[in-house]
Amino acid sequence: QVQLVESGGGVVQPGGSLRLSCAASGFTFSSYGMHWVRQAPGKGLEWVAFIRYDGSNKYYADSVKGRFTISRDNSKNTLYLQMNSLRAEDTAVYYCAKEGVVGATFFDYWGQGTLVTVSS
Amino acid sequence: SYVLTQPPSVSVAPGQTARITCGGNNIGSKSVHWYQQKPGQAPVLVVYDDSDRPSGIPERFSGSNSGNTATLTISRVEAGDEADYYCQVWDSSSDSWVFGGGTKLTVL
Repeated sequence: QVQLVESGGGVVQPGGSLRLSCAASGFTFSSYGMHWVRQAPGKGLEWVAFIRYDGSNKYYADSVKGRFTISRDNSKNTLYLQMNSLRAEDTAVYYCAKEGVVGATFFDYWGQGTLVTVSS
Repeated sequence: SYVLTQPPSVSVAPGQTARITCGGNNIGSKSVHWYQQKPGQAPVLVVYDDSDRPSGIPERFSGSNSGNTATLTISRVEAGDEADYYCQVWDSSSDSWVFGGGTKLTVL
């Protein structure tokens, strides 16, 4: 069965950096695009970034463009999110999610999330 | 950027039908997806491509999409359906994935 397990969250000071990881199993990771989606405490879902199955295309929400970088290592079945210049408003649970089918515009599996807290 | 508008809350008695709307400019021309999120849990896909259901999702969950409004319909509502529901589309004009603000479904 499909499993997505995020890690790397924690407390970081404003302006700091953090790298999140998402370990995937139960499907052919190298065949699917992957997303990061976040949810601030008590708030709704916000899409953050997408990377194509082969890493050839990446898209970002305006709120993180220029600060966050999505990447993947298909040999390790792992998705990453490098977060730099963190702000208080980046505080959220970060989920990785798999695209439904290649080119699909929905997310069919989600991880349990990892909490990132930006605070001094 | 594209905006999706959902009512903050919907209440329904057990056994009745709940309808959760998602408004957007000409949303009928887009594929709409719906997610259920219970407290402390990750979202779960319940309807994709306007009206298709993933395996394991009860037939009580259905969707429609036309004009400026998409609708998630939950028939014969059960206590276990109480959750937040989010609609989502892909905005081709900005290459971004957009969520509605979410609707809290309360089962009375």
